[in-house]
Amino acid sequence: AQSVAQPEDQVNVAEGNPLTVKCTYSVSGNPYLFWYVQYPNRGLQFLLKYITGDNLVKGSYGFEAEFNKSQTSFHLKKPSALVSDSALYFCAVSPPSGGSYIPTFGRGTSLIVHP
Amino acid sequence: EPEVTQTPSHQVTQMGQEVILRCVPISNHLYFYWYRQILGQKVEFLVSFYNNEISEKSEIFDDQFSVERPDGSNFTLKIRSTKLEDSAMYFCASSVGGVSNQPQHFGDGTRLSIL
Repeated sequence: AQSVAQPEDQVNVAEGNPLTVKCTYSVSGNPYLFWYVQYPNRGLQFLLKYITGDNLVKGSYGFEAEFNKSQTSFHLKKPSALVSDSALYFCAVSPPSGGSYIPTFGRGTSLIVHP
Repeated sequence: EPEVTQTPSHQVTQMGQEVILRCVPISNHLYFYWYRQILGQKVEFLVSFYNNEISEKSEIFDDQFSVERPDGSNFTLKIRSTKLEDSAMYFCASSVGGVSNQPQHFGDGTRLSIL
């Protein structure tokens, strides 16, 4: 069975500083990995995904994520945080094609960017 | 950009009553989903739907729950004989395809409060 861990409930960063939101996963075979963002009273919005190829994936709003197979990690990063980036971030993993395609979501990490 | 829309935004119901949550997926999407998010907890998969039938369902999706696509646009979740623990945010999502590498597009959710 696949699983996702987001080890930090909350990440605090000052505006203008780089940010990292951590995610590790467990799945049989090569994973499909996703990051979603949830703003207050809104649904989840897709940020980026890793399917195959370049380990560094670029997504919406200046976010990027690095796939590390040896460490089974897919950390979300941004070089310079904005106050408007404050939100709840969810990592998700889907199994490779064949069988279930339903993603498993992590518990979420609250990102707080201070002015 | 097309969106998934959900109604109502907030539903308050007496315990034991039936509720129907409504969703209009993105028009060219073929796969539909319901998720649940209990306050402060992670997003949990309930059910997926394709070609007018359930594709997958989780352990949460027991006989109390049912889904329907009554016409070409709406996708509904019915909860019979509601319980206090059914109080949660319910998110509808849709995707173009059903393979693991397709991102899902989420609505803003219905907050269900059982009294």
